[in-house]
Amino acid sequence: QVQLVQSGAEVKKPGSSVKVSCKASGGTFDTYGISWVRQAPGQGLEWMGATIPMFGTADYAQKFQGRVAITTDESTSTVYMELNSLRSEDTAVYFCARDRYSDGSNSYYYESAYWGQGTLVTVSS
Amino acid sequence: EIVLTQSPGTLSLSPGERASLSCRASQSVQNVFLAWYQQKPGQAPRLLLYATSHRAAGIPDRFSGSGSGTEFTLTISSLESEDFAVYYCQQYGRSPLTFGGGTKVEI
Repeated sequence: QVQLVQSGAEVKKPGSSVKVSCKASGGTFDTYGISWVRQAPGQGLEWMGATIPMFGTADYAQKFQGRVAITTDESTSTVYMELNSLRSEDTAVYFCARDRYSDGSNSYYYESAYWGQGTLVTVSS
Repeated sequence: EIVLTQSPGTLSLSPGERASLSCRASQSVQNVFLAWYQQKPGQAPRLLLYATSHRAAGIPDRFSGSGSGTEFTLTISSLESEDFAVYYCQQYGRSPLTFGGGTKVEI
C-alpha cells in the first residue's frame, strides 16, 4: 500500500526558505509522478509543480518559477519541495501527492491517487 | 495555462437528492484528462474519478462523471451524509496542471 509521510509543521520568517519532505513507501517509487499542491487557509487547491524521480527533472507552475525547487533522493524514496523568499501569502498547507498511473515516460503527470497528510507552513514576522 | 471554472460555488441539497457539479475549461482538455476530488475539512483530497468518467478504487457507483472538450460534469446520484464536502476538478492533460476553484456541497 502506497503511503506518503510528510515532515512536520514549520514557522518561518518572511524572506526565508522552507524545505518540506515527502517520504514514500509501498509500490514503485521512481516511475510515478509526485506533485506538490498547496492550500491557503479557506482557499482551494493550487498545483505548484511535479517530478518523476527516474527522469531527474521537474516542472513548475509559472507562478512559482524561480522560487521553488522539487528534488528527489532516490536512496530514501523522498521528494523535497523547497520554497524561497517566503511571504505571508505562502502560509498554507502543502501536500505531496503521487500519481495513480505511470506510462513509463515523462510525457504526462496523471491524477493524484495517494496524498501525504499535509504540512502547515506559517510565514509570519 | 488552462483555467477551470466550477459552478455553482455552493450547492445546498438534502440526503437522497441528486447533485450535478460543473467544471468548464478555458481550452479543450487533452485526452479527457480530467479528475475529480473530494475534500473534507482537515483532510487531504481524495481521488474520485479520473479520465473524466473512471471511478478510482473504492469509490461507490453513485459517483459518475461525463464530458469532453471544455465541459465536464460530476454527478452524485443520491447524496449520502458523507458526501457533503468540497469537490474539485483538475486537468492533467497539459502542464501546468490546474484545479478548479471548488464546489461546496452542503446540507
